[in-house]
Amino acid sequence: DSGVTQTPKHLITATGQRVTLRCSPRSGDLSVYWYQQSLDQGLQFLIQYYNGEERAKGNILERFSAQQFPDLHSELNLSSLELGDSALYFCASSPGGLAVDTQYFGPGTRLTVL
Amino acid sequence: AQSVTQPDIHITVSEGASLELRCNYSYGATPYLFWYVQSPGQGLQLLLKYFSGDTLVQGIKGFEAEFKRSQSSFNLRKPSVHWSDAAEYFCAVARPKNYGGSQGNLIFGKGTKLSVKP
Repeated sequence: DSGVTQTPKHLITATGQRVTLRCSPRSGDLSVYWYQQSLDQGLQFLIQYYNGEERAKGNILERFSAQQFPDLHSELNLSSLELGDSALYFCASSPGGLAVDTQYFGPGTRLTVL
Repeated sequence: AQSVTQPDIHITVSEGASLELRCNYSYGATPYLFWYVQSPGQGLQLLLKYFSGDTLVQGIKGFEAEFKRSQSSFNLRKPSVHWSDAAEYFCAVARPKNYGGSQGNLIFGKGTKLSVKP
């Protein structure tokens, strides 16, 4: 158990819908990362937050947005969903958000878009 | 652009045999290097990491990796594989600090799936 929790575990929805994925980092970790794992693209970095502020952006679509709240939990919002958004979405947390910090991954949320 | 290549999609080894998983990176400088393992239905767990110094790095679960600058490689090894090592293994890089990187986001390879024969 990494100490990072993600809810829900599974999500099934229809095209065009909007969903919210939630992540609670390890106690004391200030940085949260979101990654998407799909069969064709592999594991891709989406976005990073550090202590409530966006720090880095990766291959995140405009239809996707995220935020980190004062209690440091984070939410990833996916809207106008398409079939291709079906993937496993991981959240990871680290103490300082630097490359030298170990990232601890949650179990993931499996999103299926029908 | 930086990239990570894991040439082997799937490897099968016998229990007790040695293992080497290959990883090559393309980067303007030596990045920070990582190996993660993903068991079925689980998140990723860090096995080991390399930033600088001794090029042979020891990790958890009996794994080690060797950084070879001349080959831009960071191969993962284990002398004797156990059935519980069956999983998917990911090599990853992160931008080193002296290249304007304060972010820690990881760039992953496509992964190597390891099967273990009894």
